[in-house]
Amino acid sequence: KNQVEQSPQSLIILEGKNCTLQCNYTVSPFSNLRWYKQDTGRGPVSLTIMTFSENTKSNGRYTATLDADTKQSSLHITASQLSDSASYICVVSFSGGYNKLIFGAGTRLAVHP
Amino acid sequence: NAGVTQTPKFQVLKTGQSMTLQCAQDMNHEYMSWYRQDPGMGLRLIHYSVGAGITDQGEVPNGYNVSRSTTEDFPLRLLSAAPSQTSVYFCASSFRQGSFYNEQFFGPGTRLTVL
Repeated sequence: KNQVEQSPQSLIILEGKNCTLQCNYTVSPFSNLRWYKQDTGRGPVSLTIMTFSENTKSNGRYTATLDADTKQSSLHITASQLSDSASYICVVSFSGGYNKLIFGAGTRLAVHP
Repeated sequence: NAGVTQTPKFQVLKTGQSMTLQCAQDMNHEYMSWYRQDPGMGLRLIHYSVGAGITDQGEVPNGYNVSRSTTEDFPLRLLSAAPSQTSVYFCASSFRQGSFYNEQFFGPGTRLTVL
């Protein structure tokens, strides 16, 4: 069964600290992996998209890594800011189809001053 | 560009009522979709469209109807609302790039409560 699991479910860190969010997937055949940021009460916003051949991609202070062999991805946030408080959603696409996206339940991150 | 817009932002219905959630995008994207987001679960695809006049079912289509008469608009109709349809609904659009579909742009969501 195609599944995407994220950990931890929630995380609290202090402003200025780094953190890493995890995503494990059992999706086949793999096409690409996406990370989204969702602020409370708003729609998700794309952070990165990685295909099979890419193992790292950055967007400002956000760096995503992908290990297609172990079917794991991580999202690393550097020097966190209060505005990073949000849910982070991992999405895996299989077969490249528009309807072939499996969404994780997300990790809720709270950055405290 | 307004991006993806959704109306209304909030709605309360009684069981059995019908209503239409509106979605529009001004980016000339071919692909549009509707998702629902429930607590503790990932977004689930309800219906999607790959172009005007073409729609198809997603993972959880029961109780919902869609149509796509123009590239810009993709309304979602609830035929007879049920409490199980209480959720937050997101519309998204995207375009194809190469061999896969590029990032999706999401609307702000509609929070629906069915009593």
